[in-house]
Amino acid sequence: GENVEQHPSTLSVQEGDSAVIKCTYSDSASNYFPWYKQELGKRPQLIIDIRSNVGEKKDQRIAVTLNKTAKHFSLHITETQPEDSAVYFCAAMTNDYKLSFGAGTTVTVRA
Amino acid sequence: DAGVIQSPRHEVTEMGQEVTLRCKPISGHNSLFWYRQTMMRGLELLIYFNNNVPIDDSGMPEDRFSAKMPNASFSTLKIQPSEPRDSAVYFCASSLGLTAGELFFGEGSRLTVL
Repeated sequence: GENVEQHPSTLSVQEGDSAVIKCTYSDSASNYFPWYKQELGKRPQLIIDIRSNVGEKKDQRIAVTLNKTAKHFSLHITETQPEDSAVYFCAAMTNDYKLSFGAGTTVTVRA
Repeated sequence: DAGVIQSPRHEVTEMGQEVTLRCKPISGHNSLFWYRQTMMRGLELLIYFNNNVPIDDSGMPEDRFSAKMPNASFSTLKIQPSEPRDSAVYFCASSLGLTAGELFFGEGSRLTVL
């Protein structure tokens, strides 16, 4: 099955700085890569996603890049704000429609 | 839309008891997923359905776990008998279809087995 590795496990940034989270996947057939944000005690919610036919996607302060050759994808958050503090999960979907999640990155934005 | 609705939100039970978790997906969504979240193992896919039919249950940890989807608006995840290691947050999620991508998660059911 698909194996998704995510780094770092924790990330502390100063407000206004950028945050970068990186993920690798094992199955070259994976074709859909979403990122979910989970605030403490809440449900995971989709913040951005990318499909295998594009290399980069941006939505305001959030961007995702995909390198299919290297089988890795990254989340970039610019101009971080306190409300960006949460756990972020990357995921990859294979041809059998199963979404496998990374272990998560706890992001803390220091005021 | 009210979103994916799960019940109960919290359940505390004793080892050996039967536990039933319930989920109502978003109306019009054809796919439903059950995930378990723990600190040690993260988010694990247990089973998923498409058009009420179980597609893959390879993530169900043991025969003690079973799931049903009798109709498009209701699913259950049952654990019988429950064990302390089953303690976790169980999330139900739905999507428009298997290729739609985005999963909409419910608030989760936090299970504690003593």
